[in-house]
Amino acid sequence: TQLLEQSPQFLSIQEGENLTVYCNSSSVFSSLQWYRQEPGEGPVLLVTVVTGGEVKKLKRLTFQFGDARKDSSLHITAAQPGDTGLYLCAGERGITGGGNKLTFGTGTQLKVEL
Amino acid sequence: DTGVSQDPRHKITKRGQNVTFRCDPISEHNRLYWYRQTLGQGPEFLTYFQNEAQLEKSRLLSDRFSAERPKGSFSTLEIQRTEQGDSAMYLCASSSGAQGWTDTQYFGPGTRLTVL
Repeated sequence: TQLLEQSPQFLSIQEGENLTVYCNSSSVFSSLQWYRQEPGEGPVLLVTVVTGGEVKKLKRLTFQFGDARKDSSLHITAAQPGDTGLYLCAGERGITGGGNKLTFGTGTQLKVEL
Repeated sequence: DTGVSQDPRHKITKRGQNVTFRCDPISEHNRLYWYRQTLGQGPEFLTYFQNEAQLEKSRLLSDRFSAERPKGSFSTLEIQRTEQGDSAMYLCASSSGAQGWTDTQYFGPGTRLTVL
């Protein structure tokens, strides 16, 4: 059972458009992470947000963590074809022995066309 | 730093056969994780090692699955008597645990398993 729901599931836009992806959780996690995954590869970490209300920017990407630390959003400004990929949010929670288990969302497949 | 590597990248097997995958983490990373990702879904946690000790296992890890990390470096994931439902991408990740209560996991490219 996925505890993190992402929307939309699929998004196809033209180059230069803006978009927002949402991640909603039924639980509170110690942090929330956003990953991007390309076909045939593992996920690559984009950002970690920790504090409720936190906003982080990574070039054209803006990440926001909700005040209650249950939801997050990823906004991309002026999308480019190189932004194409699967975007995953993941909640982080501590487990036995000091490890951190990631619970991933359902994913948003983004396609940016010329 | 060569990153996390996994071998093989692709495996096609017949139902009922046993398969074994290998993961080589980033050197000096004492934490190692296995995840499984089916088509159209996000990865799901399978198991966690701290050095050679397997400290956490998901209920997704049935008795046909076994994972080892004998010397605290590379890890293997074996699936016995494979079933078609085992078809998935198996991802390995490692981390140093040096950041305290948040941890950056670095993922390998995965092994894609197809069970015919």
